[in-house]
Amino acid sequence: GESVGLHLPTLSVQEGDNSIINCAYSNSASDYFIWYKQESGKGPQFIIDIRSNMDKRQGQRVTVLLNKTVKHLSLQIAATQPGDSAVYFCAGVLDNAGNMLTFGGGTRLMVKP
Amino acid sequence: DTEVTQTPKHLVMGMTNKKSLKCEQHMGHRAMYWYKQKAKKPPELMFVYSYEKLSINESVPSRFSPECPNSSLLNLHLHALQPEDSALYLCASSQYDSSTEAFFGQGTRLTVV
Repeated sequence: GESVGLHLPTLSVQEGDNSIINCAYSNSASDYFIWYKQESGKGPQFIIDIRSNMDKRQGQRVTVLLNKTVKHLSLQIAATQPGDSAVYFCAGVLDNAGNMLTFGGGTRLMVKP
Repeated sequence: DTEVTQTPKHLVMGMTNKKSLKCEQHMGHRAMYWYKQKAKKPPELMFVYSYEKLSINESVPSRFSPECPNSSLLNLHLHALQPEDSALYLCASSQYDSSTEAFFGQGTRLTVV
């Protein structure tokens, strides 16, 4: 089965609200996770990363939370803006995938004005 | 400069054609990757070059042939492709390996007719 996966294919939020995008990973150790944003017709853009020795990491308007107990990862976007509309992928370096970066299925975030 | 440059942006080729996709980065990264992305799907790893040597080939058909002429350049040679090979081909690079942040290019949109 899939080693990294997202919970919801589509998320619709109101402009100004906070967004939470979730991701789960399989029963294998991982040292490193990355969230990417992909806009239509473009390549994935790095947003934020986190290593397994951390539970939380913050960037500009984004926070990534890692819960190793339940093997769950989330991306929180504060004060969501129309420019945040895109597909968001979580990716992890999994030891059952040859220690290569494996992408989850992606969540499309739609921001309503 | 955190840019990975891919050319061409779009390519239409017949099943008997030979073409090449090109990727360039000047960040001093020693790992470079080719990914294939079908519509509404996450990127899938095809090849990994580490220090200019092919380290991973994810069971990709021989009609795709990668080449790494030097540490800044990565090519993907295409020959006798099938219509189902139509996809977005993404190049990425990271400093040493997959445990460090990977930067993606904008991709080449390939259509095989």
